[in-house]
Amino acid sequence: NAGVTQTPKFRVLKTGQSMTLLCAQDMNHEYMYWYRQDPGMGLRLIHYSVGEGTTAKGEVPDGYNVSRLKKQNFLLGLESAAPSQTSVYFCASTLDGNTEAFFGQGTRLTVV
Amino acid sequence: DQQVKQNSPSLSVQEGRISILNCDYTNSMFDYFLWYKKYPAEGPTFLISISSIKDKNEDGRFTVFLNKSAKHLSLHIVPSQPGDSAVYFCAADENRDDKIIFGKGTRLHILP
Repeated sequence: NAGVTQTPKFRVLKTGQSMTLLCAQDMNHEYMYWYRQDPGMGLRLIHYSVGEGTTAKGEVPDGYNVSRLKKQNFLLGLESAAPSQTSVYFCASTLDGNTEAFFGQGTRLTVV
Repeated sequence: DQQVKQNSPSLSVQEGRISILNCDYTNSMFDYFLWYKKYPAEGPTFLISISSIKDKNEDGRFTVFLNKSAKHLSLHIVPSQPGDSAVYFCAADENRDDKIIFGKGTRLHILP
C-alpha cells in the first residue's frame, strides 16, 4: 500500500516550458488536492477534485490546469512555467472530503 | 483574506514541558479542524482532528481544544519530546465546501 505517490520528486524548468506533475493514490479515495508550499505562506490550495471527471479551483489556480480522468490519478499541468511557480507541490487525497488527508512526499519545482 | 491563521511562526519549548500551538479562524462555517505535522523534505502527516460539535479531543500526548465562540483552537503536546520538532499546520474544513484550508504553520523547536 503506497498511499499517495508524486512524480517527479524534483524538476528544473526554463521559463515558458510546460510540464505535468502526476499524483497517484491507491486508497480508492474520492477527493484529491494539489497544494503549493512557499516560505511563510503555508499550504495553499491550487485545484481539487471531488471525484473522477471533476475538478474545481482552489485559492491560487492561475497558471495551472488539472485533470482527473481516472479516480486514482490527479494531474497538475503548467502550460507556460514562470519563476513565480517555483515551489514545493504537494498532492493529497481524502476518502470523502470530511476525513484526514494523506499527502504525497512533494515535488520540488524550480523555474529559472 | 486568510481564513486560517497561525500567528506564531515559531515556538521553542524545553523537552518534557508542554507545547501549545494556537490557531484562529474567521469562517464560522468551518465544522472540522485538523492538525498536521511536517518534517523537512516530507509531506504533512495527519496528527489529530476535532469536530465542531466537540470542544476537546485527546490522543495520547496530543490534545486539541476548540473554542467556537472565540474561533480559536489549540494543540497541546505533553510532554514535549525531541521528535516533536517539526512544522505544525492547522487546517479547517467546511462540510458543504470541499476545500481543506491550511494556516501558514508554526515551527516547533524542542530544546534539550
